This record gives sequence, structure tokens and C-alpha cells, in this order.
Amino acid sequence: GAVVSQHPSRVICKSGTSVKIECRSLDFQATTMFWYRQFPKQSLMLMATSNEGSKATYEQGVEKDKFLINHASLTLSTLTVTSAHPEDSSFYICSAKPLRQGSTDTQYFGPGTRLTVL
Amino acid sequence: GENVEQHPSTLSVQEGDSAVIKCTYSDSASNYFPWYKQELGKGPQLIIDIRSNVGEKKDQRIAVTLNKTAKHFSLHITETQPEDSAVYFCAASIGSWGKLQFGAGTQVVVTP
Repeated sequence: GAVVSQHPSRVICKSGTSVKIECRSLDFQATTMFWYRQFPKQSLMLMATSNEGSKATYEQGVEKDKFLINHASLTLSTLTVTSAHPEDSSFYICSAKPLRQGSTDTQYFGPGTRLTVL
Repeated sequence: GENVEQHPSTLSVQEGDSAVIKCTYSDSASNYFPWYKQELGKGPQLIIDIRSNVGEKKDQRIAVTLNKTAKHFSLHITETQPEDSAVYFCAASIGSWGKLQFGAGTQVVVTP
């Protein structure tokens, strides 16, 4: 149980285009999902917290107009990187917190999406 | 905000030996401390976690200890195996949404 999927697993795009990444909780419902970015040999940096049915909360320094987050259902959150540039190339990972009593802090991570912007 | 420091950054051990990774946190309000294992090119996998009302937790070869007074927690892996080689991250959770602040990670290499 507690499986999180991401699609696509890797994407290559041209500079200036937009890319959408999907994050799904496959066997549980999640009111809260998180989006992280990870550069090579570095730790995970939280970009935003996404709550179902409400606007995402972005961390300091993360441009909300560039990284659009939509959490339309209890099992799906999407991250759209708009007008991508080479510096946006990174490993994007989502996580989800199960909606259930107890263990309210546990986050399960997706497999990540490797974005390369040419 | 919360700050999590993790040491060492790299750890090489012989197969069968034990590995210990230590983390400290700054915010006394933190109440949940998970450990994740990340293999190259993959997402982090939760391996064990501990809450602030518990001092120690064990799951087979993996154990975590928490010292709330000193604000540090440690991961212990016994009888290491080559498949334990990976990057390990500690984290601390604060706030009603349970945001995680991650440590910098420890590259563990287990040599046969």
C-alpha cells in the first residue's frame, strides 16, 4: 500500500515550452501533496504544499506563476513548469500524505520526474 | 524555521558492519522524524520513522533513536549488506501540514 506514481518519468523539452507533471496516489486518498525539486547530489527542496480544493502554498523564492500547481482531487496533483528554461532542469518529486487517522505526518514519495530543458 | 543538519556526508562500511547516521534539528516543536533511502534516479523510500513521544524504534536491521532534550536523532543499520548502499536522508516535520525539512543526505557505500 501507499503507492505514489508520477508521469512522465522523464521529459525533454525546448526552452520556452511548458511541461506538466502528474502525481497520483494509487491506493489512498491524500488531502495534502508536496512538490520537491532535487538537483544532482543535493537534498530535496520543498517547492510548495498542495491541498485538495485550495490554492497551493509556495515556499519562499519559488515563483508561483512559473510553477503552477493544481490539486483537483484527493488522488491527483499536477505541477506545470511554464516557459521552461535550462535552469529549470532538475529532478521533480512529489509526495502525498494519506487521509486517515493516525500517522498523519507520514509522506510517501513518487518515483520522480527528470526534466531536461534544452 | 527548522534547520536539520546531517552527518556524515559519506560513510563507507564493510559488509556486515554497522552504520550510524546522526541528525540534529533546531525547532523544539518538531514532532515527527522520518528517514528515507534514495537510490540513484529514484524517489525517496520511507524506511523508518519516529515520533516525539518515543525514544527508540526498531525494525529488523534498522533502528532509530531520538533525544528530544538534545534535539538529535540517529539511524542505525546493523549487519549491513551491499543493497544498503544508497543515499539516506533524515527529516523533521513541523506545522499542521507536516512539512518536512530534510538533512543534506549521507551517501552510504557498503563494500563486500
